[in-house]
Amino acid sequence: QKEVEQNSGPLSVPEGAIASLNCTYSDRGSQSFFWYRQYSGKSPELIMSIYSNGDKEDGRFTAQLNKASQYVSLLIRDSQPSDSATYLCAVKGTGRRALTFGSGTRLQVQP
Amino acid sequence: GAGVSQSPSNKVTEKGKDVELRCDPISGHTALYWYRQSLGQGLEFLIYFQGNSAPDKSGLPSDRFSAERTGGSVSTLTIQRTQQEDSAVYLCASSLDGKEADTQYFGPGTRLTVL
Repeated sequence: QKEVEQNSGPLSVPEGAIASLNCTYSDRGSQSFFWYRQYSGKSPELIMSIYSNGDKEDGRFTAQLNKASQYVSLLIRDSQPSDSATYLCAVKGTGRRALTFGSGTRLQVQP
Repeated sequence: GAGVSQSPSNKVTEKGKDVELRCDPISGHTALYWYRQSLGQGLEFLIYFQGNSAPDKSGLPSDRFSAERTGGSVSTLTIQRTQQEDSAVYLCASSLDGKEADTQYFGPGTRLTVL
């Protein structure tokens, strides 16, 4: 079992729709969770961080965390073609400082 | 302010040669990380530096890989006797203090191609 798992996609949604990206993790003691966006050929860019159970909203983005289910998700409302990218889920494991990344979900927003 | 910078942006080398990759973190950031991303793969942790503490080398894939950080700022990742499987994008990140809720900011990466 991978430490951080994501569906590789591609996830295709029409412009204006809600995109839902999911991630599960294996280390139950993890406390910090991050979503990064990576455009092709570019480096990862932080979108959201979340540390407590529940929802955290920032503009069109909402991160959701459920530690009991070891599940974190990212919702993108009113998806735009410019949101088309690979979304990386990253987790700080127990006692670790480095991030463990999932393999990413490729999102395609169709105009 | 300036972000994380890395050099070179691209490096092509022949199998068996040594290479050095450089990372200049965000000013004031005490924590520095190296990751690599192989084609179609997720990011893989290599090594972590925090202030003057001993680095966490647990992610280095072999003893051909080493890194140092001089003066708590610039870091150099060295790969000796490069192999074709070393071809990847090497990403450096820095963060303020390495604590639990700390955010890592990535540089643009160095694309290494081993022929």
